[in-house]
Amino acid sequence: EAEVAQSPRYKITEKSQAVAFWCDPISGHATLYWYRQILGQGPELLVQFQDESVVDDSQLPKDRFSAERLKGVDSTLKIQPAELGDSAMYLCASSGDRQYNEQFFGPGTRLTVL
Amino acid sequence: DAKTTQPPSMDCAEGRAANLPCNHSTISGNEYVYWYRQIHSQGPQYIIHGLKNNETNEMASLIITEDRKSSTLILPHATLRDTAVYYCIVRRTSGTYKYIFGTGTRLKVLA
Repeated sequence: EAEVAQSPRYKITEKSQAVAFWCDPISGHATLYWYRQILGQGPELLVQFQDESVVDDSQLPKDRFSAERLKGVDSTLKIQPAELGDSAMYLCASSGDRQYNEQFFGPGTRLTVL
Repeated sequence: DAKTTQPPSMDCAEGRAANLPCNHSTISGNEYVYWYRQIHSQGPQYIIHGLKNNETNEMASLIITEDRKSSTLILPHATLRDTAVYYCIVRRTSGTYKYIFGTGTRLKVLA
């Protein structure tokens, strides 16, 4: 069964350092999402791509976060510089093109900022 | 997007049906009801979705009230592996189709 791949699974970094997360969606899925999940809360959408274009980044802290999906396939989320409050699980998801299509989530990257 | 209200936690005996309620009194006509669950340290997993009719698949049943202001997810024979946080989400079928997750219901299945 096709799955969303993410790496790394765990990342520990010091504040002010740069970190990057990678996501490979299910083949053929045009829509890709990055979420942040703080412990005890539900996931919060950071950015949504349709192919290579950003369609929603209203909750992305653009002063330190950036996301790209250059060829409309895999995607990278970067944080520079990392802050203590960025410690969270970062989840990637993908979905097909129909409006009611469900999202398939990857295993996530757990980030700890020291 | 409509907001959902779920109980923070529930227990269920193994082998019994687990009935998880969700209130979405402000749902609009073009919003679907989706259910996901998240097992500890994993990404959320899709369970089921519906618009106004009851739905059933191999994982669960979804019962939506006639006025669509509430719904119930039913796991017919809960197992220990069903212990997870269950999220009820309402989502538009136009625009950016954003999911807004709440804090969900933490279901604990007891042996």
